[in-house]
Amino acid sequence: QSVLTQPPSASGTPGQRVTISCSGSSSNIGSNYVYWYQQLPGTAPKLLIYRNNQRPSGVPDRFSGSKSGTSASLAISGLRSEDEADYYCAAWDDSLSACVFGGGTKLTVL
Amino acid sequence: EVQLVESGGGVVQPGGSLRLSCAASGFTFDDYAMHWVRQAPGKGLEWVSLISGDGGSTYYADSVKGRFTISRDNSKNSLYLQMNSLRTEDTALYYCAKDRGWLQFDGVDYWGQGTLVTVSS
Repeated sequence: QSVLTQPPSASGTPGQRVTISCSGSSSNIGSNYVYWYQQLPGTAPKLLIYRNNQRPSGVPDRFSGSKSGTSASLAISGLRSEDEADYYCAAWDDSLSACVFGGGTKLTVL
Repeated sequence: EVQLVESGGGVVQPGGSLRLSCAASGFTFDDYAMHWVRQAPGKGLEWVSLISGDGGSTYYADSVKGRFTISRDNSKNSLYLQMNSLRTEDTALYYCAKDRGWLQFDGVDYWGQGTLVTVSS
């Protein structure tokens, strides 16, 4: 059972907008930044969003992040087939003194 | 170009030990905290450990605390993970990863390709 809770799956059709949620608590998301990662099949994860809503250079602006209270969301607009991947949220947990990941959401592009 | 190359994985019996290494290049190594993150076959990401840029601060997941030790040699641009008392549930692909910051977690921005650890009798 992961400390951060994500839906196991999500789906959308090309061009659609999809959102992936990440729910935590006051000791992690509620008091620290949230980060999002994309993992394509058979590859290492890639940083998509840092500090709640910042995109590293090279990440398309189709990807956006937000946070409210103890929850966060990743939105992907203009969905493309190459967006089919696993997505993970992460945050520091002050109570555990540890980094915690969500269980991951498998995104399917129909 | 940032490169992280892990080595040291393999097959080990339960209760055994293994030492993973990670050779880093393409950035000023001691300016950044470093992590080990693992992924069991077909499962999600699990953070294992973090060490600050100067090696003075270390953090561990509860699942490995007391069994694993993270360390770094800034003169060799290298990160290590000493794993003792290994269990079957430690079987995973172990990633070496670079943090965006120096002291604590501020997001992992580069990952290696991983080294596979299999704990089996």
